[in-house]
Amino acid sequence: AQSVTQLDSQVPVFEEAPVELRCNYSSSVSVYLFWYVQYPNQGLQLLLKYLSGSTLVKGINGFEAEFNKSQTSFHLRKPSVHISDTAEYFCAVSEFNKFYFGSGTKLNVKP
Amino acid sequence: DSGVTQTPKHLITATGQRVTLRCSPRSGDLSVYWYQQSLDQGLQFLIQYYNGEERAKGNILERFSAQQFPDLHSELNLSSLELGDSALYFCASSEGFSGAQETQYFGPGTRLLVL
Repeated sequence: AQSVTQLDSQVPVFEEAPVELRCNYSSSVSVYLFWYVQYPNQGLQLLLKYLSGSTLVKGINGFEAEFNKSQTSFHLRKPSVHISDTAEYFCAVSEFNKFYFGSGTKLNVKP
Repeated sequence: DSGVTQTPKHLITATGQRVTLRCSPRSGDLSVYWYQQSLDQGLQFLIQYYNGEERAKGNILERFSAQQFPDLHSELNLSSLELGDSALYFCASSEGFSGAQETQYFGPGTRLLVL
């Protein structure tokens, strides 16, 4: 089975600074990759996904992620964060139509 | 608002009991997915149904079962409840059966507390 690692449980960052949230997965077998955001007391919302093609994927709210097959990574980036980006972010991998989630990274954007 | 509804929002029950969680997918969506989010185990995929049929199975315990009805709503049944079953249970829906390639829309969740 897959395992998904989000090494950073919390990332504090100042408003307008760049941020990178890291995600590594265990298997290099063909997989699909996702980033979700969860705002307090809400369900998950899809930010972006990688299915195939270009390794740089652009998502909503100015986020992007880069798929690196050799390093089995799918890191999420934003060049300039806003207070409203404060939330928990989950990396997920789909393999054989089953879904595996990382433990989440809480992004805390400070003014 | 994702268009996915879940009832109830909160549920408090005792160990050994049985509960049923309900999910109504977005209009037109044929797939329903169930997830469990707990402090101990994080977010886990439980099961997917597509148009009434089981499509994929994740880490769903034998004490848990789900079904999808002809009107496409789904129910997750949890029985012989244990303290460790306390969690937030999410339902999501998507248009087709290939959940991996489609956008899943998540409901607000049902928070279950087992005392």
